[in-house]
Amino acid sequence: GQQVMQIPQYQHVQEGEDFTTYCNSSTTLSNIQWYKQRPGGHPVFLIQLVKSGEVKKQKRLTFQFGEAKKNSSLHITATQTTDVGTYFCAGRGGSNYKLTFGKGTLLTVNP
Amino acid sequence: GAGVSQSPRYKVAKRGQDVALRCDPISGHVSLFWYQQALGQGPEFLTYFQNEAQLDKSGLPSDRFFAERPEGSVSTLKIQRTQKEDSAVYLCASTSVREVSEAFFGQGTRLTVV
Repeated sequence: GQQVMQIPQYQHVQEGEDFTTYCNSSTTLSNIQWYKQRPGGHPVFLIQLVKSGEVKKQKRLTFQFGEAKKNSSLHITATQTTDVGTYFCAGRGGSNYKLTFGKGTLLTVNP
Repeated sequence: GAGVSQSPRYKVAKRGQDVALRCDPISGHVSLFWYQQALGQGPEFLTYFQNEAQLDKSGLPSDRFFAERPEGSVSTLKIQRTQKEDSAVYLCASTSVREVSEAFFGQGTRLTVV
């Protein structure tokens, strides 16, 4: 079945440093979504990428979808303490309904 | 409602006990998903409903797990004869049929089997 791998598992940064998490799928995806889960909370949708090579920005967050639609990345510029949480990628394959989540990257930020 | 509602928020069950977890999705959302999230892991797909039809139950770990959505709205995930390995957070999510079909998650039910 479809597998989504995400690295790194953990990332600790000083406030102001940049952060990147990477996502790789075992199969070609129809689209990929990113979610953020705060400690003790539930996943909250951030963005969806659909097109090959697509790049989207939300303030300090930059999301990329690979040309082969099998990998993706999330980059945060100048992290803030409010960025703390676990970032998950979730891919949709051919079925176009089931979201397969990566294991997530836990980001902690030292003020 | 304003969001996806799950109840109970916390459930402690003795091993062997049956439990029922409820999910009330966003009104009008056709698709409903159940996920299981172990500590420090990503959500793992359990099952998917489109209206009242259960189209995919490939993620249910055993025949002790059963889900239903009889009227295409509220859904119940039932676990029979709970085991310690069933301890996890059970998340429900619903989506609309718009182009950007983001999943709206409930707060989850934290199940602890003792």
